[in-house]
Amino acid sequence: ETGVTQTPRHLVMGMTNKKSLKCEQHLGHNAMYWYKQSAKKPLELMFVYNFKEQTENNSVPSRFSPECPNSSHLFLHLHTLQPEDSALYLCASSQPRLGGSPSYEQYFGPGTRLTVT
Amino acid sequence: KQEVTQIPAALSVPEGENLVLNCSFTDSAIYNLQWFRQDPGKGLTSLLLIQSSQREQTSGRLNASLDKSSGRSTLYIAASQPGDSATYLCAVREVLTGNQFYFGTGTSLTVIP
Repeated sequence: ETGVTQTPRHLVMGMTNKKSLKCEQHLGHNAMYWYKQSAKKPLELMFVYNFKEQTENNSVPSRFSPECPNSSHLFLHLHTLQPEDSALYLCASSQPRLGGSPSYEQYFGPGTRLTVT
Repeated sequence: KQEVTQIPAALSVPEGENLVLNCSFTDSAIYNLQWFRQDPGKGLTSLLLIQSSQREQTSGRLNASLDKSSGRSTLYIAASQPGDSATYLCAVREVLTGNQFYFGTGTSLTVIP
């Protein structure tokens, strides 16, 4: 296991349910990311947070709502999902790229396997 | 928009062989390139990170090279073992904001005992 944990590891939810995914990193990083991994497709970056501020939203539908209360925790709130949202959701962390500073590698959590019925 | 391609999509080799995985990207304005390994149903494990100013990185039996001008990177695995069986992904971190990472679809490697 890495220094990034995700809960739950598996989630089955109906289209009308509300659930949340949780990510926690113990690496002292200040940047956190949500990715979606669907079968046969590249990983899709969804959201980026730097120092608790959202800096990227890659045209993600509003039924996905991220929250970053502090640099160690990241949530993804789910509401009224569609079956095509079934995927592996991965959280990652790194140091953010600041002007002139070296770029650090990303560390990933084990993912949450989401199934929408 | 950056596009990352990995060839081949799948590879099967007998144990002990040396092998090369390829990654190409369309925009050479990258900050770094990172190789990952993913086991079925699990998260990604970082293998090697190459900064844009570097040409290669080595870790054990793994060697990654980067030719930024031609938009290519290779991951060389020496003396392959069954435990190397996994999907290998490459990702580039683009320069403009530094927050966008683009992944390839991966190469699924099977090492046959």
